[in-house]
Amino acid sequence: EIVLTQSPATLSLSPGERATLSCRASQSVSSYLAWYQQKPGQAPRLLIYDASNRATGIPARFSGSGSGTDFTLTISSLEPEDFAVYYCQQRSNWPPSWTFGQGTKVEIK
Amino acid sequence: EVQLVESGGGLVQPGRSLRLSCAASGFTFDDYAMHWVRQAPGKGLEWVSGISWNSGSIGYADSVKGRFTISRDNAKNSLYLQMNSLRAEDTALYYCAKDHRIAAAGMWGNWFDPWGQGTLVTVSS
Repeated sequence: EIVLTQSPATLSLSPGERATLSCRASQSVSSYLAWYQQKPGQAPRLLIYDASNRATGIPARFSGSGSGTDFTLTISSLEPEDFAVYYCQQRSNWPPSWTFGQGTKVEIK
Repeated sequence: EVQLVESGGGLVQPGRSLRLSCAASGFTFDDYAMHWVRQAPGKGLEWVSGISWNSGSIGYADSVKGRFTISRDNAKNSLYLQMNSLRAEDTALYYCAKDHRIAAAGMWGNWFDPWGQGTLVTVSS
């Protein structure tokens, strides 16, 4: 089973600052990695798929990069609505299963 | 607009059963695999189970295998999760989520979009 490890657990930043979130896989997942944003009381929302593609309606300040085992989600300039928890996720082919990282909370400093 | 609306959650005693439902609209339901994902209070996301468009392929997390059964009724645009032998550790918000990949392009996709708002299951005596 592939394990996804996110770091840091919490990121304390101010609006306007750059956020860099990491997701590391225990073995290669190629580019098949997705990122989700979850705000309190809301369902997760897809941000990035296939490591670097923004989902529909996602602002350009969100970007994803990486391949293999190391991935990064970058928020170029934090807006007030970006303070949330972010999860990475991957799929294993057989047996079919999907795993999530433990999440990174981006909080207001 | 794609909509997923879960129902069926509630308070249940350990060892009892519960059946969750997810009503889908706004897309061709039988063109997509579907999934259940749960989130324990204050915790992260855990994939629970997935079912292909025609129910021909099904997967479960090890934590629920043998106790939970996923199913779907394409005529009713509905997804279900039958949960038996419930334990305290099954307490969570259960989300229904649509697989991104259309069936013609493959059995399973790599990500989920969108998700429903969830239904809360509490297992306690």
